[in-house]
Amino acid sequence: NAGVTQTPKFQVLKTGQSMTLQCAQDMNHNSMYWYRQDPGMGLRLIYYSASEGTTDKGEVPNGYNVSRLNKREFSLRLESAAPSQTSVYFCAIPGQVDNEQFFGPGTRLTVL
Amino acid sequence: RKEVEQDPGPFNVPEGATVAFNCTYSNSASQSFFWYRQDCRKEPKLLMSVYSSGNEDGRFTAQLNRASQYISLLIRDSKLSDSATYLCVVNFRGGKLIFGQGTELSVKP
Repeated sequence: NAGVTQTPKFQVLKTGQSMTLQCAQDMNHNSMYWYRQDPGMGLRLIYYSASEGTTDKGEVPNGYNVSRLNKREFSLRLESAAPSQTSVYFCAIPGQVDNEQFFGPGTRLTVL
Repeated sequence: RKEVEQDPGPFNVPEGATVAFNCTYSNSASQSFFWYRQDCRKEPKLLMSVYSSGNEDGRFTAQLNRASQYISLLIRDSKLSDSATYLCVVNFRGGKLIFGQGTELSVKP
């Protein structure tokens, strides 16, 4: 996954704690995306960024904030974690050919 | 109705079998179509794009029927290594992908 890195790989939080998931790309793309994946529900878009300094809501933005301070990094913040936010979080960038996307390795988050 | 629907499976097949996955999508304005493969909750990886003319990559064949809003993936001569979850993915517009829930395939010796 040389194009997209995510940190941390795993995290356990208690309800009400906050944390920031980090995503970085080395492909110089304008667009970046955050998804969550829950069992039986496929991936759902949380937020996306079409360019540095801009962000837009996706399908499931409630409970999250994002920041795109530079072209390389797109962070996802949980201000007050809830058990419903237990999920696997993937960051993505555009692919090379057909409007596909290339995904980072994911962050597995558990909220107790 | 879900925007992208797949049979979740699981599909349990013997090695060498041919298996077909189907997918339907609801938005007729959809622009791009893909099959992704996902192993053991790792990140999804692009298997192939799907074109109206159909496309083939080795043992894998993908078809798109825009009139019926239907996408298919055919895997011939299944291998143990094909065991994974296969995700049907549609790009409506603006680069935002919509995912089906995935179809689980298990290939047995």
